[in-house]
Parts: sequence; structure tokens; C-alpha cells
Amino acid sequence: QEQLVESGGALVKPGGSLRLSCAASGFPFSAYYMNWIRQTPGKGLEWLSCISSSGKTTYYADSVKGRFTISRDNNKKSLYLHLSSLRVEDSAVFYCARAPIYDASTGPSYGLDVWGRGTAVTVSS
Amino acid sequence: SYELTQPPSVSVSPGQTATITCFGDQLGDKDACWYQHKPGQSPVLVLYQNRRRPSGIPERFSGSNSGNTATLTISETQAMDEADYYCQVSDSSTSVVFGGGTKLTVL
Repeated sequence: QEQLVESGGALVKPGGSLRLSCAASGFPFSAYYMNWIRQTPGKGLEWLSCISSSGKTTYYADSVKGRFTISRDNNKKSLYLHLSSLRVEDSAVFYCARAPIYDASTGPSYGLDVWGRGTAVTVSS
Repeated sequence: SYELTQPPSVSVSPGQTATITCFGDQLGDKDACWYQHKPGQSPVLVLYQNRRRPSGIPERFSGSNSGNTATLTISETQAMDEADYYCQVSDSSTSVVFGGGTKLTVL
């Protein structure tokens, strides 16, 4: 069974940092581009970042570029998102998701076909 | 930045057809995807490339995309279809956009 499980969400103070993890199972993790998406109560789903199957290429939404860093360890079948300089408005449920196809020109043209259940991050003093 | 607009809510009676729309400038020129999201669960891809269904998605789910509007149609709607539905498009490696979501209520 293809599965993604996020972890690492926590309560953190503004300006703080956090690392989220996503453990994959049931599919050849190293063959796929992987993504992070967040959901806030007021704004719905927001795509944050993508990393190529090898980990050599990364993409970021303008809203998080420079503050969030995506990475992966194919040996551990794990995806990561390092969050820094956190703001109250970064509070959200963070999801990892698989992209069956990711084109440099058109992005995930086949959508995001496997998602985790999410991990909650709350930024508050 | 590109924006997608969905109605906040749609209601349908069991057995009837539900139609959820997604509006964006020249949306028909892009490939739209649709996701189903139930509380506490993982989002599920129900359509990609406007009308293609992933393995395991019932034929009751269909889609179209033309002009400025993409449409998700759920025929013979069942109680289990009650969920939030999101449209999504991407037109570059860093422009992946979701609509605001539509809450489908099966009355």
C-alpha cells in the first residue's frame, strides 16, 4: 500500500524553526518528485515546494522562498521540510504529496496522486 | 499570480448530480486536477488532466475544462461523496495553484 506519513509538527514561537518529516512506504520513493503543501483555515491549500527524485533540483513558492528548505534522503525513504523564521501566519497543517509526473515547464501535470494525513504546525507566542 | 475561484458550498440530494465549478482566466488552456478531502483524511486525487480518473476512482466522477471554467461532475451522488473538493492547475514548476475549495453537502 502506497503511504506517506508526516511528523514533526509542533507549537513553536514566532521566529523559531522546525523540521517536518515525511516517511514513504509501498512505492519506489527515489523515483518520484515529492511536494509539500499546507492548509490554513482561512486560505485553503497552498503548494509550498517540490524536490526532484534525485534531490538535485528544488522549487519553491515565492511565499516561502528563503525561509523553507526542502530535502530528501532516498536511502531512508524520507522527505523533509525545514521551516525557519516562522510567522503566526505559517500556522497550518502541512502535507507531503507525490507527483507522478513533474515537468520543469508545467509542474505536476498529472496532479499529486498520493498524500499523507498531515502534521500540524502552530506558531504562537 | 494566478487565481482559481470555487463556490464555497454546493448541496445535492442523494442520487442526483453534483456540479462543482472552478473559474480562472483562460483556465481551458491549462490542465486541471480535482481533489476530494474529507476531515482527518488524506486528500485524494479524483481527476487529472481535466477528465482522467486515477485507478480506483468511480466512473461517477467526470470532468471538463473549457474557456474560463473547469467542472467536476459527480453523478448518482452518494453520502460518501460528502467532502471538500479542490481544483488545481499548474503552468510552471513554481506555479501550482489550488482553488479555495467547495464543501459538498449531500442532503
